[in-house]
Amino acid sequence: DADVTQTPRNRITKTGKRIMLECSQTKGHDRMYWYRQDPGLGLRLIYYSFDVKDINKGEISDGYSVSRQAQAKFSLSLESAIPNQTALYFCATSDTRTSGEQYFGPGTRLTVT
Amino acid sequence: AQSVTQPDIHITVSEGASLELRCNYSYGATPYLFWYVQSPGQGLQLLLKYFSGDTLVQGIKGFEAEFKRSQSSFNLRKPSVHWSDAAEYFCAVGVNRDDKIIFGKGTRLHILP
Repeated sequence: DADVTQTPRNRITKTGKRIMLECSQTKGHDRMYWYRQDPGLGLRLIYYSFDVKDINKGEISDGYSVSRQAQAKFSLSLESAIPNQTALYFCATSDTRTSGEQYFGPGTRLTVT
Repeated sequence: AQSVTQPDIHITVSEGASLELRCNYSYGATPYLFWYVQSPGQGLQLLLKYFSGDTLVQGIKGFEAEFKRSQSSFNLRKPSVHWSDAAEYFCAVGVNRDDKIIFGKGTRLHILP
């Protein structure tokens, strides 16, 4: 089984709808991250969490919110989806006790029509 | 603030040829440096990392990278590419183990048969 899983893998939704993307990990890591990937722009950080009680905004948090329900679960919500939120979304984890590199999920492709 | 530049958006090489992907970073002290690879439809996989010590770092899949402080560079190399190396490659920089990392915009590698 994959260490970092994301659900759904693909989603098409309409403008104005609320949508939640979920991430779960079995690596036992304390830190979790949400990124979006757009062609030519690389990965941009949306939110990150260093433990269950710690949530931080990344460079592009407007229009998004997150919830860290447990050490292993980190959800990303779009309260009212808009077309320019169409992108590939990645969840990642890392462990402060080791070397800091991040481990990525397979991604969720979100299309807002 | 730290930043990462990957000057080449696309690189095309012939199978069996050598490869060098460029990465330059901006940060006053010694950063933590990473190279990730993203195969089509996949998440990101760590190829190698540099934290300290030997400036020539060996990674998976036959890749290596060299940290050059004087040039603020961390270029990725492979002596002989295979068709399966066709992917997008991301350089990333972190300030320390306790902070988030910043990704470059990526270089897409194409392999000619």
